[in-house]
Amino acid sequence: SQTIHQWPATLVQPVGSPLSLECTVEGTSNPNLYWYRQAAGRGLQLLFYSVGIGQISSEVPQNLSASRPQDRQFILSSKKLLLSDSGFYLCAWMTSGRASEQFFGPGTRLTVL
Amino acid sequence: SQKIEQNSEALNIQEGKTATLTCNYTNYSPAYLQWYRQDPGRGPVFLLLIRENEKEKRKERLKVTFDTTLKQSLFHITASQPADSATYLCALALSGTYKYIFGTGTRLKVLA
Repeated sequence: SQTIHQWPATLVQPVGSPLSLECTVEGTSNPNLYWYRQAAGRGLQLLFYSVGIGQISSEVPQNLSASRPQDRQFILSSKKLLLSDSGFYLCAWMTSGRASEQFFGPGTRLTVL
Repeated sequence: SQKIEQNSEALNIQEGKTATLTCNYTNYSPAYLQWYRQDPGRGPVFLLLIRENEKEKRKERLKVTFDTTLKQSLFHITASQPADSATYLCALALSGTYKYIFGTGTRLKVLA
């Protein structure tokens, strides 16, 4: 069966520090991968998605970046965090090429102080 | 401008009643629409998917309708239970892309 992992579960970082969040998927190959951010009491904002290794589409121009170095690994990064980067970060995968559901990871709660 | 809106306020209903949640969108051409359940501090969990050429989908106590003319989807939970209390999110899958746009969600509380 397929599983999706995210780490860390929680993170407290000072403004201006770097960020690296990792997401890995098991039990499937060539998935579409997604990074979302959810502010408190709000919906999900799509940040990045990827349909293959090295292929990244950015939805929100900001100080975040994403990379997909391996088929089932998706990394969200920042060189310098802002206060507004605080939120709940969710990674998701779905089967490529057909209408299907997204499977979400457990999320990372990021607080920037 | 493009928008996707759900009931912004929390919805409280009595156990056993039918809960109806609304998802409205403007200026999108979705290939299909999905509904997810999200519990506090957790990632969303998929419930139902309905395509643009389908009017209605059912799964156990859940029913979804999709009206592309009205640009609206309704999500129904019949015989609601306190365990159904959660936030429900709708998501549009945009035609010709791999992008999903999520609504802000509606918090449902089923009272015993």
